[in-house]
Order: sequence, then structure tokens, then C-alpha cells
Amino acid sequence: ILNVEQSPQSLHVQEGDSTNFTCSFPSSNFYALHWYRWETAKSPEALFVMTLNGDEKKKGRISATLNTKEGYSYLYIKGSQPEDSATYLCAFRDYKLSFGAGTTVTVRA
Amino acid sequence: GAVVSQHPSRVICKSGTSVKIECRSLDFQATTMFWYRQFPKQSLMLMATSNEGSKATYEQGVEKDKFLINHASLTLSTLTVTSAHPEDSSFYICSATRGAGDYEQYFGPGTRLTVT
Repeated sequence: ILNVEQSPQSLHVQEGDSTNFTCSFPSSNFYALHWYRWETAKSPEALFVMTLNGDEKKKGRISATLNTKEGYSYLYIKGSQPEDSATYLCAFRDYKLSFGAGTTVTVRA
Repeated sequence: GAVVSQHPSRVICKSGTSVKIECRSLDFQATTMFWYRQFPKQSLMLMATSNEGSKATYEQGVEKDKFLINHASLTLSTLTVTSAHPEDSSFYICSATRGAGDYEQYFGPGTRLTVT
């Protein structure tokens, strides 16, 4: 079982503030690192697929970075809005996806 | 595009009965479908991988006779929990890939199973 860790487990952020959280994963047998956004009662939504060390991806106010040598990825939310409230999952891909337990973000208006 | 549905969203059954969960890709043909289980405050754990027309490949520790997977078409996979027991109560979620170099997995909304 691969060890994919997400930190923190949950966080609360004031509307308009920026925040970030981490995903750590094994640095061997790396194919890709996936980020998903999962709102309650909905399907997890794919945010990013990152494959190269040093990758940076951006989608609106959300961005992610990747360091495959040290085995971590950061997800950033700039100017948080209430609609950003969700659980953010990362998943390490070798022959399958191995998920972290998620970081639950609550944005307070 | 890439919408996956799952039915039912919630099910309660009695111990000893069987429950079937359906996973459908609505707007694409899914070369591969995956079934995951999630216990409270834990991560999604892969149970099995299925390709259309083939037997599913189960992860270590997952009983194939307990969790029957059928992938009869390119848009439908079913998971049947046989002789369910309270310890099978969990959140089950499926995903599908389109293949052809697209390794993204597109998820259904999940099914909450409660066995009483």
C-alpha cells in the first residue's frame, strides 16, 4: 500500500484569503500526480494531472506545483470564495491511483 | 463531457441479502472501470479494475466472490455485494477512463451502503 499523505486534514479560511496545502507521495515509480475537487454529494472533479518535476498548473484561482524528487505537491487557492469549499484529493499514479485522505477546505464568508 | 452516473446513491439492506450498484458512463465509452471503497475519514481504496468483456482484476485482500463485478458493455459496470454484512457498510464509488492516451479517471457520485 503506497503512502500518500495530505496535510492538513481540514482547514478553515476567511473569504478573500489565500491558502495552500500539501500532498506527499513516494518518489519512486512516479507516473503522474492527480488533484481532484470533491464537493459533498457530487462526483470528484478532476483539477490537474501533473507529470513532470517542476510542473506548475493553473485553473482560475487554483494552482498546483509538483516536486517529484522530494515527493510533494502543493495546491494553492488564491482569494478563496465560498464555492471553493470542498475536499481536495490528491492521487499518486503508478499502475493505479493511490489516494490521500483529502484536505477539507471550508471558506467562511 | 465525461459524465459518470451511479445508482443507487443510497441503499439500506438487511444482513445476508445482496445489493447491486450500477456505474454508467453517459457520454463516452469506458475502456476501463474502477471500483473504490471509502471508510470514514480514510482515503479511497481501489477494490478492482474491470475491462469490458473481461474478468475483473481484484486488489489484494478484496474477496472476488463477495464483490462480484460485471462489465458487460462499454458503458456499464455493476458491483454486487453478496451476502452483505454490517462490516460491508461503506461508501462505494466507481470511475471510468476513456482510453486512447487519456489516463484521467472520471468518477461517479458514489453509493452509500448501510447493512443492518
